[in-house]
Amino acid sequence: SQQGEEDPQALSIQEGENATMNCSYKTSINNLQWYRQNSGRGLVHLILIRSNEREKHSGRLRVTLDTSKKSSSLLITASRAADTASYFCATDAAGKLIFGQGTELSVKP
Amino acid sequence: EAQVTQNPRYLITVTGKKLTVTCSQNMNHEYMSWYRQDPGLGLRQIYYSMNVEVTDKGDVPEGYKVSRKEKRNFPLILESPSPNQTSLYFCASSLRYRDRNNEKLFFGSGTQLSVL
Repeated sequence: SQQGEEDPQALSIQEGENATMNCSYKTSINNLQWYRQNSGRGLVHLILIRSNEREKHSGRLRVTLDTSKKSSSLLITASRAADTASYFCATDAAGKLIFGQGTELSVKP
Repeated sequence: EAQVTQNPRYLITVTGKKLTVTCSQNMNHEYMSWYRQDPGLGLRQIYYSMNVEVTDKGDVPEGYKVSRKEKRNFPLILESPSPNQTSLYFCASSLRYRDRNNEKLFFGSGTQLSVL
């Protein structure tokens, strides 16, 4: 089974609303990363949070990490139609970077 | 511009006809990796390379070969493609080397491969 599993699988919101995606994992990690993928294109790195960090911000992105619950969340505030994409978490554990199956976000204008 | 360049973007071939997907990065990264992406299965690692002449199997290496003769290039070779290798392939690189943690990956634009 996957190391990182995103929830929900799909999310549809209106422009201006916040979008929250969650990622759960099974083993201890060194860091957790979030990536974005526009349809059929290469993934783009958004943010990396290390195992000793609890929260990190980058522009409209806020990532939290709870190592006791083995979970992370990605919050996109004031979403825009251009945020429509798939979002993946990737966990760095035991020397490997393992990707979840992603959350498909649709932001309607 | 820092980038990972994959070619070709689209490829249609027939079963058994050897093919190579090229990957090149201009960031002097030591770590390079190949992934395949399939609906419902996410990204799965095929092979990776920690440095020149050092390659290792990922989660789904069967039917693939790689080589790392130069730091910048990491081609993916399908000696005898089969229809179950129809997929979207991505090359990626990062600064990670030796036993350090994975830093952020830079991805190529992808190669959509169809094997008939």
